[in-house]
Amino acid sequence: AQSVTQLDSHVSVSEGTPVLLRCNYSSSYSPSLFWYVQHPNKGLQLLLKYTSAATLVKGINGFEAEFKKSETSFHLTKPSAHMSDAAEYFCVVTLSGGSYIPTFGRGTSLIVHP
Amino acid sequence: DTEVTQTPKHLVMGMTNKKSLKCEQHMGHRAMYWYKQKAKKPPELMFVYSYEKLSINESVPSRFSPECPNSSLLNLHLHALQPEDSALYLCASSQETRVNTEAFFGQGTRLTVV
Repeated sequence: AQSVTQLDSHVSVSEGTPVLLRCNYSSSYSPSLFWYVQHPNKGLQLLLKYTSAATLVKGINGFEAEFKKSETSFHLTKPSAHMSDAAEYFCVVTLSGGSYIPTFGRGTSLIVHP
Repeated sequence: DTEVTQTPKHLVMGMTNKKSLKCEQHMGHRAMYWYKQKAKKPPELMFVYSYEKLSINESVPSRFSPECPNSSLLNLHLHALQPEDSALYLCASSQETRVNTEAFFGQGTRLTVV
C-alpha cells in the first residue's frame, strides 16, 4: 500500500522569506513523487517530479525538493516566496509495480503576506 | 501544445438532466483520467483510460459514464446526478500509465447540480 502525508494544512510566510512544505510518503516499492500546484479555480500544474534519478530535484518557478529515503520525505522548498506563490500544493506518490493509481496528499495551502 | 482542454468551464444541471463533459488533448498521450475535486480537498480519481480502454473504475456510481471515442478525446456523461455530485471535475492525460510519468491537467469543469 502507498500513502502520502502532508504535515501542514496551512503554511503562512512573508514575501521574500523561505518556503518549506512538508511531505512524507509510505510505499512498499520504489516511489515516484510529484509536487503539483493549484491556484484558485484552476487545474493542477506540475512543479517537479522525482523518479529515482537525482535526489535533489529542481522545478519551475524556483521550487525544488529533496528525496530522502531514510526519512521517507520529499519536502518542497523555495528560497524566497513571491505573492504569486499563494496557492494549494499537493504531494503525489505513485509506486512501481501494480496498478497505476496516484495517491494525493490532503494539500497544503500556502499563504503569502506582503 | 501541452494543453488539456475541458469544456464547458461551468455547468449547472438539474437532477433529471443529461449532460456531458468533454476533454481533449493533442499531445499524443495514451492515458486519460477523470478526477472529482470537492472544495478544500485533493482530487479523487474516478476513471483511467489506457489506449482507449477503461482500465480503472474507482467504484464510481453508474450515473457517471465515461467514454473515450479516440486517443485525443475523453467524455464524461452525466445522468440523474445528486446535489452532492457538485464539484470541480478535472481531466488529465499522460504519455502512458507508467508510474514515473507526470499527468497534465485541464482547468476543470465546475459542476453544480440543483
